[in-house]
Amino acid sequence: GAGVSQSPRYKVAKRGQDVALRCDPISGHVSLFWYQQALGQGPEFLTYFQNEAQLDKSGLPSDRFFAERPEGSVSTLKIQRTQQEDSAVYLCASSLALRGHGYTFGSGTRLTVV
Amino acid sequence: SQQGEEDPQALSIQEGENATMNCSYKTSINNLQWYRQNSGRGLVHLILIRSNEREKHSGRLRVTLDTSKKSSSLLITASRAADTASYFCATPKTETSGSRLTFGEGTQLTVNP
Repeated sequence: GAGVSQSPRYKVAKRGQDVALRCDPISGHVSLFWYQQALGQGPEFLTYFQNEAQLDKSGLPSDRFFAERPEGSVSTLKIQRTQQEDSAVYLCASSLALRGHGYTFGSGTRLTVV
Repeated sequence: SQQGEEDPQALSIQEGENATMNCSYKTSINNLQWYRQNSGRGLVHLILIRSNEREKHSGRLRVTLDTSKKSSSLLITASRAADTASYFCATPKTETSGSRLTFGEGTQLTVNP
């Protein structure tokens, strides 16, 4: 596609509910990133995939967070047993694995845990 | 923790004026990137400047980099109301695009018509 697509755009979850957030990167983009952005803050790194391999998951805040990219294209970020502090915008970005290229971000999923 | 720190946190100017935002970082970098984020939207890549470059232009944007001071500035000339957004600087961990970006807190720019 022309850009990075994320769904759903908005998600309201009751505390304790599991959620799954989807990211469709630009076709052919090898690298895929997930970021978490709290209100009024800059994005914080969560995890990184190169093709289907998850090479860095050091930013995942707890074992309730899980990400996958089984076929090297679409990625899913899953949050189990959501808590209020998980409320944030979750951004997905993809890029070509070439030196000096910027990243293309999706519009994000705004998660509100009530 | 955030590597980049932008200042000011907020900037309000009139249409036609220039806007300057600054970014400081702590560790050595290979390049520094600037992004724009409109309210409720994702980030848009504006410009990338390499560590061996001192200045770079793109349309109404001018970016400078001073590696000795570990700082960068973004200048938007002849601002327009449509430039209203948050601006973030970001530094990658390594040179390749397969590298996590560390973002600053951002500068909220408001351009009044």
